Amino acid sequence: DIQMTQSPSTLSAFVGDRVTITCRASQSISAWLAWYQQKPGKAPKLLIYKTSSLESGVPSRFSGSASGTEFTLTISSLQPDDFATYYCQQYYIYPLTFGGGTKVEIK
Amino acid sequence: EVQLVESGGGLVQPGGSLRLSCAASGFTFSSYWMTWVRQAPGKGLEWVADIKEDGGEKYYVDSVKGRFTISRDIAKNSLFLQMNSLRVEDTAVYYCARDDGTYRYFDKWGQGTLVTVSS
Repeated sequence: DIQMTQSPSTLSAFVGDRVTITCRASQSISAWLAWYQQKPGKAPKLLIYKTSSLESGVPSRFSGSASGTEFTLTISSLQPDDFATYYCQQYYIYPLTFGGGTKVEIK
Repeated sequence: EVQLVESGGGLVQPGGSLRLSCAASGFTFSSYWMTWVRQAPGKGLEWVADIKEDGGEKYYVDSVKGRFTISRDIAKNSLFLQMNSLRVEDTAVYYCARDDGTYRYFDKWGQGTLVTVSS
C-alpha cells in the first residue's frame, strides 16, 4: 500500500500568513493527488485534484504543486475561514489512501 | 444541486450487522463511481470501498474484505454498504462520496452517518 505522510500534523498561523502543508508519498503516484479541507463536524470538501488543479469555486489563494513524490498545498494568505484540517489523498492505485491530516490553528 | 444523504447508522454489538444507505440526487447516478469513506472519532479519513457505475467492479480496503459489501441500485439512485461481523474498530462516521467522472478522487460528499460498535 502507498503511505501518505503529511507534515506538520498541526500548524499555528496568523490571518494573512502564507501557509505550506507537505504530503510525501511512499512511492511514485505520478500527479494523482487530491487535497481536501475538513471543518469540525462537517464532511470533507475537495480543494485540489491532479496535484494542482483547483476545484470549481475554491478561492485562488489555494494552490498545489509537486516535486517528485513530495506534494505541497499552499495557502497564499490565510483567511479566518481557512482554519480547518487538511488531508491529501492518492488515487494512483488501490487501496486509495489519505494522509494523516494537518490541522491549521489560529495563532 | 448534488445531494448525498446517508442513513442507517446506529449502535450495534460486536459481531453484529448494519446496512448503510446513501440517497443520491441532482446528478446522473448511473454515470459515476461511488465510494464509502470512514472517519473514526478524532482520527483521519480512511477509504473503505468503491463501486463502478454499473456495479461491475468493486474494490475494498483489506480491513473490511469479506465482511463489508458495497452495492448500488441505479433505479433507486442509491448506494449501500452491508457491514457484517462488525468490530469495535469499525466505529466511525461513514461518508458516502461521489468519485470524479474519470478518476478516484471525491468531488461531492454526504454529511455522514455514525456507526458505533460497542457492547
